[in-house]
Amino acid sequence: DIQMTQSPSTLSASVGDRVTITCRASQSISSWLAWYQQKPGKAPKLLIYKASSLESGVPSRFSGSGSGTEFTLIISSLQPDDFATYYCHQYNNYPYTFGQGTNLEI
Amino acid sequence: QVQLVESGGGVVQPGRSLRLSCAASGFTFSSNGMHWVRQAPGKGLEWVAVISSDGSTKHYGDSVKGRFTISRDNSKNMLYLQMNSLRIEDTAIYYCANYYDGSSLIGFWGQGTLVTVSS
Repeated sequence: DIQMTQSPSTLSASVGDRVTITCRASQSISSWLAWYQQKPGKAPKLLIYKASSLESGVPSRFSGSGSGTEFTLIISSLQPDDFATYYCHQYNNYPYTFGQGTNLEI
Repeated sequence: QVQLVESGGGVVQPGRSLRLSCAASGFTFSSNGMHWVRQAPGKGLEWVAVISSDGSTKHYGDSVKGRFTISRDNSKNMLYLQMNSLRIEDTAIYYCANYYDGSSLIGFWGQGTLVTVSS
């Protein structure tokens, strides 16, 4: 199985900050990497797919990059609505796997 | 708009069975593969199973293989997860989700149903 490792696990930031979350795959997954945002008590929401493609309706302050085994999610200027947990997810091979999550807190 | 509504969760004893359902609307269900994903309380996401649009292809996560069965009824726009030999560690919110835009990526998620395995 492909292991997905996110860092950091917790990130403290302020409104207006630029933040970076990293995800590493245990083997190459090409660009088959997605990012989800989850708020407490809610279902996850797709933000980015194929490593760098922004889902419709997602603000442009979110961006993704990477390929192979190293991937990055960047939020260019944090807004109050962005404080949530973020998960990376590989959909290159079954069984699909997720990173352990990054809790972005104020 | 896309709607996925899970049901069938509840409290069940270890070793017993439970069947979850997911009612789909707002998209062409019979053309979409579907996933189940779970989340233990306070924990991260764990992919459980996937089924192709016609039901002919299925894959399972290692922790549920041989115990859980995913199925669908395209005439009713329904997705199911039959869970047998339940364990305490199966306690989680179970989400159904559809394929994203024709790919096998997990796209839109339902709100989930809570399964608690406890004696």
